[in-house]
Amino acid sequence: GDSVTQMEGPVTLSEEAFLTINCTYTATGYPSLFWYVQYPGEGLQLLLKATKADDKGSNKGFEATYRKETTSFHLEKGSVQVSDSAVYFCALIDSGYSTLTFGKGTMLLVSP
Amino acid sequence: GAVVSQHPSRVICKSGTSVKIECRSLDFQATTMFWYRQFPKQSLMLMATSNEGSKATYEQGVEKDKFLINHASLTLSTLTVTSAHPEDSSFYICSAQDRGRTGELFFGEGSRLTVL
Repeated sequence: GDSVTQMEGPVTLSEEAFLTINCTYTATGYPSLFWYVQYPGEGLQLLLKATKADDKGSNKGFEATYRKETTSFHLEKGSVQVSDSAVYFCALIDSGYSTLTFGKGTMLLVSP
Repeated sequence: GAVVSQHPSRVICKSGTSVKIECRSLDFQATTMFWYRQFPKQSLMLMATSNEGSKATYEQGVEKDKFLINHASLTLSTLTVTSAHPEDSSFYICSAQDRGRTGELFFGEGSRLTVL
C-alpha cells in the first residue's frame, strides 16, 4: 500500500539557518504530494503541493520539488524564523484513490 | 505509539437523516481535537477545532448547525452531520492533540460518509 516516511524530529535550528525536512514515499500510481503544517494550538493547514513529477510547490519561503526518480518531496527553506516552529506533515494522494496518506510528522523548533 | 480511533469507518445513510461520527484518543488525553473534511482527490479542509468542555470553533463557511461537534471528555469528540444531504458525502478525519507530548498530533483513520 501507499506510505510516507519522514525524518524523525525534533529538528532544532537557530534563526536564519537552512532547513531541510526529508520525505520519501511509496505509491502504486502517480500521486499528488503535499506538505501540511500544524502551528502550536492550531489545526493542520496546507503549506504547499505538487501534482506531477518535477513540479515545485512553494509558499511562505518554503519549497519542495516532486522527484519521481527518487520518490522524494523534501521540504526546504533558506532562512527559518522562530515563527516557523511547528509540526510539518508530508502526505500524498495516490492517483487511484481519493484519501490522503500522511507521514508521522516532523517537529521543527527554531530558537532566536 | 499513540492511537486515535474513528467510528464508523464507513456509513451510508438516507437523505434527511443524521449521522454521528466518533473520534477517540485511546491511550492519551486530548484537550483539543480537530475535524477535517476531504473532498475526492483534494486536500484536507479544517472544519472546526474542538476543545474539551467548551464550544467548538468553526472555520469560516462551515455551518455550525449542520455539523454539530461535542467534546465532552478528554478522550472523545463527536461530529454529528444533521439532516444529511448528498452534498455532505465526503471523507471526514479527526485528529487529536496529545497535551502530554508538547502538542503532538495524531490522526484517526477517517470516516467515509455516503448520503443517498
